[in-house]
Amino acid sequence: EAGVAQSPRYKIIEKRQSVAFWCNPISGHATLYWYQQILGQGPKLLIQFQNNGVVDDSQLPKDRFSAERLKGVDSTLKIQPAKLEDSAVYLCASSLSASGLYEQYFGPGTRLTVT
Amino acid sequence: AQTVTQSQPEMSVQEAETVTLSCTYDTSESDYYLFWYKQPPSRQMILVIRQEAYKQQNATENRFSVNFQKAAKSFSLKISDSQLGDAAMYFCAPKGGSEKLVFGKGTKLTVNP
Repeated sequence: EAGVAQSPRYKIIEKRQSVAFWCNPISGHATLYWYQQILGQGPKLLIQFQNNGVVDDSQLPKDRFSAERLKGVDSTLKIQPAKLEDSAVYLCASSLSASGLYEQYFGPGTRLTVT
Repeated sequence: AQTVTQSQPEMSVQEAETVTLSCTYDTSESDYYLFWYKQPPSRQMILVIRQEAYKQQNATENRFSVNFQKAAKSFSLKISDSQLGDAAMYFCAPKGGSEKLVFGKGTKLTVNP
């Protein structure tokens, strides 16, 4: 079974530039998550999708971050414009459903550096 | 809202010995799950072990086991017969039925040969 795929793996941009990350979850997983993991901290949920609908985006800085999962499969996360404090690893995860009964499977992450 | 405290930023253990990582949490949910995730250096986060809060029996997965104290809201992870491959960041995370998964700050485990 293929795991969660993410690209790019690394990205360096200057502040005020835009960047987009892509995630392809495990086939059949209805729930998709984007996390931000700042160095030395645990992951923080940015947004959760159930199929193509948003379930939780309470911690997403909506003035600069956006995400979509148009066909209920893969997803993109965009930052525009980037700030220095956005430097982090962005993790995508998926699960069969949002219930705690089901494990979240994580991708390798995209390491973003904003200079 | 859920909160998680991992009071040990770093721990070390000798290979083949046992180590216990601590975690306390708070949740308003009556039905919830507790997870320990492992994040090796430059590698993907993977699930180590899961505990359903309604189960009194502590979960066990091979060399990994938990000590779940529901009343004290404590969920520690015990690693027996530690191996070099156990070196990683370990994150404790509770999840209520309608709540998001909330991660602690993590404990960095070093395994000394």
